[in-house]
Amino acid sequence: RKEVEQDPGPFNVPEGATVAFNCTYSNSASQSFFWYRQDCRKEPKLLMSVYSSGNEDGRFTAQLNRASQYISLLIRDSKLSDSATYLCVVYPQGGKLIFGQGTELSVKP
Amino acid sequence: EAGVTQSPTHLIKTRGQQATLRCSPISGHTSVYWYQQALGLGLQFLLWYDEGEERNRGNFPPRFSGRQFPNYSSELNVNALELEDSALYLCASSETPGLPYEQYFGPGTRLTVT
Repeated sequence: RKEVEQDPGPFNVPEGATVAFNCTYSNSASQSFFWYRQDCRKEPKLLMSVYSSGNEDGRFTAQLNRASQYISLLIRDSKLSDSATYLCVVYPQGGKLIFGQGTELSVKP
Repeated sequence: EAGVTQSPTHLIKTRGQQATLRCSPISGHTSVYWYQQALGLGLQFLLWYDEGEERNRGNFPPRFSGRQFPNYSSELNVNALELEDSALYLCASSETPGLPYEQYFGPGTRLTVT
């Protein structure tokens, strides 16, 4: 079993749509959780940290369920510029971030 | 504020040679991390340096090594290059380790081994 598993992509959605990504992780001792986005052949950029209480940043909402070891990301009112690969990332310990394989999002006009 | 910088952008080497990749962290960040992203694969953790010391390494052979300098910049060395070492090598930095442990990535060095 992979340490971090994400929905397989790609997700193809029209502009303005709401899209949700899900992720599960295997290490129950994991301490921190993140969503990164990665554009083609570029570096991952931190989108948001994810907290147990849930957190929102504009059109983006992230949720964490420690009991179910489940993380989600909701994007509302999708823009063309949201097209990217979204990486679910977990930090267990030892400086090492564990990355999911990523879910590709394509927003169409 | 300047982000993480890496050099060179691209590096082409032949099998058996050595490659040296460089990274400068965000000002004020003391920890530097190295990751490998091979084509079609996810990011794999290579090394973590903090305060000049190697704190952790991933599941890579000893020919992958590095160091961190007093100014917190870092080098990754790959000896005896193999074709499968061709990948994007990403450096990240963070403040003195502590939760939530946010790491910020540089643009990467694309290493091609022929």
